[in-house]
Amino acid sequence: DIVMTQSPDSLPVSLGERATINCKSSQSVLYSSNNKNYLGWYQQKPGQPPKLLIYWASTRESGVPDRFSGSGSGTDFTLTISSLQAEDVAVYYCQQYYDIPYTFGQGTKLEI
Amino acid sequence: EVQLVESGGGLVQPGGSLRLSCAASGFTVSDYYMSWVRQAPGKWLEWVSVIYSGGNTYYADSVKGRFTISRDNSKNTLYLQMNSLRAEDTAVYYCARTRYYLDCWGQGTLVTVSS
Repeated sequence: DIVMTQSPDSLPVSLGERATINCKSSQSVLYSSNNKNYLGWYQQKPGQPPKLLIYWASTRESGVPDRFSGSGSGTDFTLTISSLQAEDVAVYYCQQYYDIPYTFGQGTKLEI
Repeated sequence: EVQLVESGGGLVQPGGSLRLSCAASGFTVSDYYMSWVRQAPGKWLEWVSVIYSGGNTYYADSVKGRFTISRDNSKNTLYLQMNSLRAEDTAVYYCARTRYYLDCWGQGTLVTVSS
């Protein structure tokens, strides 16, 4: 199984600051035939289901504010929130869909 | 509007069975991959199972042989039959439309396995 490891586990940030969350996979999730990274990012607020933010490592889902961006390739990925808003307080998960079983990181809790 | 609504959760004794349903609207379930993902209380997300549009099914090792994913195209509904339930299966179960990534999630249904 591909193990996804996020860092940090929790991230205290101030409003308006930049937040960076890292995700590392135990093996590459880059599919060479189409040059796509099979990596997604999700946001989960308390009492709510997860919400897709980013797919193919860097493609923003429709309706997601442009302060959210994804980067990285192969085994190392980053989710960046350029200027934190109060509504961004949530747990963020990365997920690989390169291979079954699909696996999630352990989550990063963003705190103000 | 794309929507997924889960039902069927509840309290069940260890060793018991439960069938979860996920009614879809706004799209056709059989045109997509569909997944079940669970989240134990206070824990992270765990992928459980997927059914491909062609009908192939796959499971996490933790549920293989005990859980069965299926769909009813006439009802546009996804199911998860859960047998031989254990305390560690206690979780909120989400269904999710799957385009490799999971782009639409239901609100979830809580399954509690306890005597």
